Amino acid sequence: DAGVTQSPTHLIKTRGQQVTLRCSPKSGHDTVSWYQQALGQGPQFIFQYYEEEERQRGNFPDRFSGHQFPNYSSELNVNALLLGDSALYLCASSLGSLVSTDTQYFGPGTRLTVL
Amino acid sequence: AQSVAQPEDQVNVAEGNPLTVKCTYSVSGNPYLFWYVQYPNRGLQFLLKYITGDNLVKGSYGFEAEFNKSQTSFHLKKPSALVSDSALYFCAVRDSGATNKLIFGTGTLLAVQP
Repeated sequence: DAGVTQSPTHLIKTRGQQVTLRCSPKSGHDTVSWYQQALGQGPQFIFQYYEEEERQRGNFPDRFSGHQFPNYSSELNVNALLLGDSALYLCASSLGSLVSTDTQYFGPGTRLTVL
Repeated sequence: AQSVAQPEDQVNVAEGNPLTVKCTYSVSGNPYLFWYVQYPNRGLQFLLKYITGDNLVKGSYGFEAEFNKSQTSFHLKKPSALVSDSALYFCAVRDSGATNKLIFGTGTLLAVQP
């Protein structure tokens, strides 16, 4: 049973560039959430996708956008990269129908470095 | 607003001794609480959760957590620590609202000495 997978593992970009991160949910899951974990901090919620729509958004600027595909996989796009966007980006999957109590399972993350 | 606090940045314990990693919460409504562990350069691994029912929740790798409503605490425990338990531990609470968005604490680094 495949768990949550993310690609790429590491990424180096320069300020002003754009980046796309990818996530495949755990088998049987239909909901994908994205989190940003800055160095030395806990993960911060970016947004959640369910049925190909953004269901909830955290306190992140519009430079952060996402997409969910019919196979439930998801992308996180960040435009006009800033140095402060350097972080570990985590994808988590869960079951949308059990939204109130279901556990989120996390992928290994993508380490983004902005120079 | 929902929140959790982890008052200790680091906990040191000798191998074989019991360990406790502390977490307190502040919620409106029923608390849905979680513990995750993060090894270096890795994502988060789910350990256990409290939704309702017994105050003592058993999870993976021999960990358990005690929910205490009067003290608004959800401390993580293990009877006998292993060196391999050394990692970063996060307490989290489900936010109020339509999704299962998690709000995380700042994390506690557990160091188990041989």
